[in-house]
Amino acid sequence: NAGVTQTPKFQVLKTGQSMTLQCAQDMNHEYMSWYRQDPGMGLRLIHYSVGAGITDQGEVPNGYNVSRSTTEDFPLRLLSAAPSQTSVYFCASSSSGGRTDTQYFGPGTRLTVL
Amino acid sequence: RKEVEQDPGPFNVPEGATVAFNCTYSNSASQSFFWYRQDCRKEPKLLMSVYSSGNEDGRFTAQLNRASQYISLLIRDSKLSDSATYLCVVTPNTGTASKLTFGTGTRLQVTL
Repeated sequence: NAGVTQTPKFQVLKTGQSMTLQCAQDMNHEYMSWYRQDPGMGLRLIHYSVGAGITDQGEVPNGYNVSRSTTEDFPLRLLSAAPSQTSVYFCASSSSGGRTDTQYFGPGTRLTVL
Repeated sequence: RKEVEQDPGPFNVPEGATVAFNCTYSNSASQSFFWYRQDCRKEPKLLMSVYSSGNEDGRFTAQLNRASQYISLLIRDSKLSDSATYLCVVTPNTGTASKLTFGTGTRLQVTL
């Protein structure tokens, strides 16, 4: 199993550009989520999904959209990039999203917005 | 006040030393507790869950003190490979993993 994969690894955008960060998992996990990690702050939840066709907002959803058309894929879309979105983005999955489930993280995407 | 607080460190310890980290949480209704490990520029990975009775996994011991609202991680006989950032993670008594709250992490550097 590849686990959780993310593409691209690095990305530089100009303010106002849009892009999609890709996330896929091959563990047949129902629960998937997106976090951002900034210096001096813990990982913060952006959006999450408890199954195909179901998504919900996390702690910091503004400026981001998600969709979940399949169990495997959970892309994150930046609608109009801003410098405040410069961060490291991690996708994670777990089998059912239960409180005691292990979260498996992808390798991350380092995004810089100029 | 942050929901989960950790001393950022760094903790610089020689190989073979014992080191302990604490993490405090503000929500007394929190139910599940974890330690994740994050290597430099890598993704977090689960190190261990923390149970009320305390639990041990090799050189690592985790404990929970509900009365004082903190969890701890003890590492015995530190190895160079233990150098990493250790993240404290807390979940509430309701909802799903959507409510995971991460601390900012404690950095450990083990030296020769």
